[in-house]
Amino acid sequence: EIVLTQSPGTLSLSPGERATLSCRASQSVSSSYLAWYQQKPGQAPRLLIYGASSRATGIPDRFSGSGSGTDFTLTISRLEPEDFAVYYCQQYGSSPPIITFGPGTKVDIK
Amino acid sequence: QVQLQESGPGLVKPSETLSLTCTVSGGSISSYYWSWIRQPAGKGLEWIGRIYTSGSTNYNPSLKSRVTMSVDTSKNQFSLKLSSVTAADTAVYYCASWVWLLSGVGWFDPWGQGTLVTVSS
Repeated sequence: EIVLTQSPGTLSLSPGERATLSCRASQSVSSSYLAWYQQKPGQAPRLLIYGASSRATGIPDRFSGSGSGTDFTLTISRLEPEDFAVYYCQQYGSSPPIITFGPGTKVDIK
Repeated sequence: QVQLQESGPGLVKPSETLSLTCTVSGGSISSYYWSWIRQPAGKGLEWIGRIYTSGSTNYNPSLKSRVTMSVDTSKNQFSLKLSSVTAADTAVYYCASWVWLLSGVGWFDPWGQGTLVTVSS
């Protein structure tokens, strides 16, 4: 089973700053199988990125995803007030078919 | 636009079976994968399992012995049963659509709003 590790656990930044979130897999993951979600308090997660780098419908272009193999990155180019939230990466393993989430990175206001 | 809504008891006694239903509206449940995901308070997300509308299932190995999922296409609903629950099963339970393309790309979207299930006597 592939284990996802996210770093840092908490990222304290100011609006307008750039956020770089890391997701590392315990073994190589196909880029197709990596997604990112945003979750705000009291809300369900929202899909941001699928296939490691494709933005979901309606997601602003300040969000971008990149990476391959075991190292993936979610970048928020300029933080808006509504971007302060917890971010999760998720991978799909086809054999066996198991879906796992990383532990999350909280982006909070500095 | 497809929407999902979880329903079921908010309180379950230890050792009993947790039962939840997810109703899909705004689209057909057929020919898609559907999943359950849970989140204990203040913690991360845990995938419970998925079911295809044919009835084929895949479960998280850590929960497999206690999980049963089913689908009722006539009602546009799918369900979760988790047996022998303990306090560790207290969580917000989400249902979600697992979108999976032939290329292998997959993601959860949309999600239900979630329902809190507390295990307590």
